[in-house]
Amino acid sequence: AQSVTQLDSQVPVFEEAPVELRCNYSSSVSVYLFWYVQYPNQGLQLLLKYLSGSTLVESINGFEAEFNKSQTSFHLRKPSVHISDTAEYFCAAMKTSYDKVIFGPGTSLSVIP
Amino acid sequence: DTGVSQNPRHKITKRGQNVTFRCDPISEHNRLYWYRQTLGQGPEFLTYFQNEAQLEKSRLLSDRFSAERPKGSFSTLEIQRTEQGDSAMYLCASSLGGTSGYNEQFFGPGTRLTVL
Repeated sequence: AQSVTQLDSQVPVFEEAPVELRCNYSSSVSVYLFWYVQYPNQGLQLLLKYLSGSTLVESINGFEAEFNKSQTSFHLRKPSVHISDTAEYFCAAMKTSYDKVIFGPGTSLSVIP
Repeated sequence: DTGVSQNPRHKITKRGQNVTFRCDPISEHNRLYWYRQTLGQGPEFLTYFQNEAQLEKSRLLSDRFSAERPKGSFSTLEIQRTEQGDSAMYLCASSLGGTSGYNEQFFGPGTRLTVL
C-alpha cells in the first residue's frame, strides 16, 4: 500500500533561517507528489506539486521541493523563513490523476522571532 | 476560499446522536471526496464520488457512516449513533473528472465534529 512518511512532527526554526521538512513516500508505481499547507484555523491549501518533468518544483512564496526517485523523497525547503510561514505542512501523494490523496502525518513548523 | 463550501462549520453532539454534514463542490467538478482529519494527523480518505456514483469507500467508513451525492452536485455525509472516536474534522474536496492528466483537488474549510 502506498504511504507517506514525515519524520519530523515539529520543527522550530528562527526567523530568516533556512528550513527543510522531510518527506518520504513508498510506492512501486509512478506517483504525483504534493505539499499542502494548513495555516491556523484555515483549510488545506496546495503549496506545490510534482507531476513530471523537472524534479525541482517551486511555490510562489519561496518554498521549493525536489523529487528524488532513488531515495523516494520529496523534501520541502525554504532558504529564509518568515513568521507567516508558521503552519502545519503535509506531504501527500496520488497514484493516478483521479485517485485519492494519501497524506503524511504532518510537520508543524514554528517560526521563532 | 477555494469555492468548496461545507456546512455546518462546527457541530457539537452527544454520543449516540445522528449528524449530517453537507458539502457543496465547485459547480463544474464531477468528482467529490470526503476525508477525515483527527488531531495531530493528516487527512485520511473516506470515500469518493464520480457524479452521483460512489466509486470507492475506505475501510474507515464503518456501517454507521453513509455518504450520498444524489444529483451529482452536493454531497451529504451522515454518521449514525455517534461515538467519541468520531470527533474529527471532516473535509470535502472536489475536482474535475477525466482519465488522463492531473486534476487538482480543492478542499473545503471542513466541518469540525465534537462528540461529547
